[in-house]
Amino acid sequence: ETGVTQSPTHLIKTRGQQVTLRCSSQSGHNTVSWYQQALGQGPQFIFQYYREEENGRGNFPPRFSGLQFPNYSSELNVNALELDDSALYLCASSLANRGSTDTQYFGPGTRLTVL
Amino acid sequence: QQQVKQSPQSLIVQKGGISIINCAYENTAFDYFPWYQQFPGKGPALLIAIRPDVSEKKEGRFTISFNKSAKQFSLHIMDSQPGDSATYFCAATAGTSYGKLTFGQGTILTVHP
Repeated sequence: ETGVTQSPTHLIKTRGQQVTLRCSSQSGHNTVSWYQQALGQGPQFIFQYYREEENGRGNFPPRFSGLQFPNYSSELNVNALELDDSALYLCASSLANRGSTDTQYFGPGTRLTVL
Repeated sequence: QQQVKQSPQSLIVQKGGISIINCAYENTAFDYFPWYQQFPGKGPALLIAIRPDVSEKKEGRFTISFNKSAKQFSLHIMDSQPGDSATYFCAATAGTSYGKLTFGQGTILTVHP
């Protein structure tokens, strides 16, 4: 059984650019959640995908978007990057049905730096 | 109402001592309270979790105490070891929010040998 993997590990972009981050969920998991963790802070929920549909969203603007694929892997896309988008982006997977609170397992994250 | 407040911000403990980290929440709909441990450069790893139908849960050296009426819960690390030095996050979620975790601000624990 493989854990949650994310790519790339590190990324440097300039303001205004677009970025795509990728996540492979743990084997058997059908739900992927994305979090943004600023330096020295707790992770903040961005959104969750369940069976390829967005299943809840935090207080993030529409330029943060995502996808989930039939194999339950996921992408996080951020358009028009701003300096404040610099953070560690975490993906977490779980095996869940609607309304459940199954354990989320986190990947190692992608460190995004916006210059 | 969605906040989870965590304290202290940092904690220094001697090897063999007890580390205690506290969290308080406001949303009474929260029904699952996990604790995560995070090492530098790594993602958070689940340590232990509790649901509000019990007041205490113990796994090895780690214990969660839960006070539903006070809307508070805490992590106790017994016999703290230098390898426990990490950042600890409490979190909470409600079944109705489909697993959206609300995290505390984190506690940096340092265990001196």
